Amino acid sequence: EPEVTQTPSHQVTQMGQEVILRCVPISNHLYFYWYRQILGQKVEFLVSFYNNEISEKSEIFDDQFSVERPDGSNFTLKIRSTKLEDSAMYFCASSELTSGYEQYFGPGTRLTVT
Amino acid sequence: GEDVEQSLFLSVREGDSSVINCTYTDSSSTYLYWYKQEPGAGLQLLTYIFSNMDMKQDQRLTVLLNKKDKHLSLRIADTQTGDSAIYFCAEILFGNEKLTFGTGTRLTIIP
Repeated sequence: EPEVTQTPSHQVTQMGQEVILRCVPISNHLYFYWYRQILGQKVEFLVSFYNNEISEKSEIFDDQFSVERPDGSNFTLKIRSTKLEDSAMYFCASSELTSGYEQYFGPGTRLTVT
Repeated sequence: GEDVEQSLFLSVREGDSSVINCTYTDSSSTYLYWYKQEPGAGLQLLTYIFSNMDMKQDQRLTVLLNKKDKHLSLRIADTQTGDSAIYFCAEILFGNEKLTFGTGTRLTIIP
């Protein structure tokens, strides 16, 4: 069964450093998403991406964040200058819109900012 | 705005039915979902229901939707140890793309 994959599974970085989180969505899916879950809190939407552009973003997704689909398979989330409060589990998801908003999630990348 | 609430913990004896409840505030929801998260794993889509439906059954899973009370429930029949996980309900509002998640309910199975 096709699945969303994410790398790395755990990333440790120092405050102020740039990080890139990588995702490979399910191959025939057209919509891509990033969510995050700070420890002990709800899963929060960050951004959705379709046809090579952002289609919706939350207040959390400020200028420090960017997304890109650099080739036909990868979808990345970049945080330019990480802060302590960026420490969280980051989930990538994808959906084939015609099947009715079914978003399939990857296993997540745990980001720890020290 | 949208808000989705769940109770944090539920303990059930193996073989009994589990009922996990969720309330949501926005009446314009389009789809309502149940996701399962096992330790160290991602969010697994279990089932979903369109907001004009009252019930959906899928093997051991039954979803009930009470639109008047904005209440969603997930019933797991014959609960097994493999059902131990955190269960999240989530909604998508009409015209949006983002899922809004509840706090998650940690289901513990008692042998």
